[in-house]
Amino acid sequence: QKEVEQNSGPLSVPEGAIASLNCTYSDRGSQSFFWYRQYSGKSPELIMSIYSNGDKEDGRFTAQLNKASQYVSLLIRDSQPSDSATYLCAVSSGGYNKLIFGAGTRLAVHP
Amino acid sequence: SAVISQKPSRDICQRGTSLTIQCQVDSQVTMMFWYRQQPGQSLTLIATANQGSEATYESGFVIDKFPISRPNLTFSTLTVSNMSPEDSSIYLCSVEDLDRASTDTQYFGPGTRLTVL
Repeated sequence: QKEVEQNSGPLSVPEGAIASLNCTYSDRGSQSFFWYRQYSGKSPELIMSIYSNGDKEDGRFTAQLNKASQYVSLLIRDSQPSDSATYLCAVSSGGYNKLIFGAGTRLAVHP
Repeated sequence: SAVISQKPSRDICQRGTSLTIQCQVDSQVTMMFWYRQQPGQSLTLIATANQGSEATYESGFVIDKFPISRPNLTFSTLTVSNMSPEDSSIYLCSVEDLDRASTDTQYFGPGTRLTVL
């Protein structure tokens, strides 16, 4: 069973701090990695994709990938209350470009 | 990215009935996916729908319970058949956006919130 593991949280950080979200995966053949944000009652929204080892930055978001250790992380700098949501890690697996989702980490940014 | 719409946005249904959910995309896409998100849970892939071929179902999901149609490159339907309260979930369609250079990227529709009484 190919799995994606995330700490369910909640992860509570003060406004302006860095939020660090982590994800591990079991399929060594995975090539594509994604972070989605899901507000309560809404559908997932793509934040970042990453395909190569190292860091990828987009605005306040930085995705980090380490294929040897099979983990991917998301850093949110200068966290805002509007960042409060559930963050889903997704990993490609198998044919037909399937994505396997983690259970999500709930982030709460308090003023 | 593609604009995706789903109908209905929500519904309340009686046990034993069936509901067909529609997913419409504003551009042609090869691959469409149907997911289920049960309350408080993450997303579980039900099936992958490619135009011109039978849908590919994931373990635990069968065609008799979740028949899927994919008549063209912009439209798909998922039917939840003979519903029970355990089918109460959010059902989401997603598409792979071929306009982007990166592969495997999926974008989600707004979802259909189904409650079965």
